Amino acid sequence: QQQVKQSPQSLIVQKGGISIINCAYENTAFDYFPWYQQFPGKGPALLIAIRPDVSEKKEGRFTISFNKSAKQFSLHIMDSQPGDSATYFCAASRGAGNMLTFGGGTRLMVKP
Amino acid sequence: GAVVSQHPSWVICKSGTSVKIECRSLDFQATTMFWYRQFPKQSLMLMATSNEGSKATYEQGVEKDKFLINHASLTLSTLTVTSAHPEDSSFYICSARDLQGRTGVPYEQYFGPGTRLTVT
Repeated sequence: QQQVKQSPQSLIVQKGGISIINCAYENTAFDYFPWYQQFPGKGPALLIAIRPDVSEKKEGRFTISFNKSAKQFSLHIMDSQPGDSATYFCAASRGAGNMLTFGGGTRLMVKP
Repeated sequence: GAVVSQHPSWVICKSGTSVKIECRSLDFQATTMFWYRQFPKQSLMLMATSNEGSKATYEQGVEKDKFLINHASLTLSTLTVTSAHPEDSSFYICSARDLQGRTGVPYEQYFGPGTRLTVT
């Protein structure tokens, strides 16, 4: 049972555009929602994370929007750059530092 | 940010042999480490949770006798793939939990760079 569903599977965006990746979760006990960036052959790196007590969190060009009632959260990458081309994973856990359930991943390509 | 290392970064072994992968937290203590497996173009799947000084907790479907985990210290966990077979070929990734928040974010998990295992 996939508890975190991520879409789209792949995404192509022009340089300077906005990349939007969506995730939906089922388990209402989840209370920590991080996003990770992974380059080929590397481990995931934490980008940004949010808790359900806020609806939005912004760090630089990266913004998480969170809709608790809909059990959905999304990552927005503003002014997308070719260097952002990577695979992005959303995840959820019951408390930070606990077992993470990952979404299926989104392969982002930013065209110059 | 916190640094987690893995060794080796890649390894090729023959079918039937055993391979040990190390995961170290370099600048913080980690009472808990997690081991994931990732197949090409797929997501990360949790294999087991490793706790310092106690037995690991394995996810359903993961053979504990095949994937031996030892969390010998607050900075080191090892995963040994015993009697490896070609189907065990995968990308193995560990993460370590910064319990004390030394990195600024209590309890945050930090991932290692991964180990590519190829069994021939």
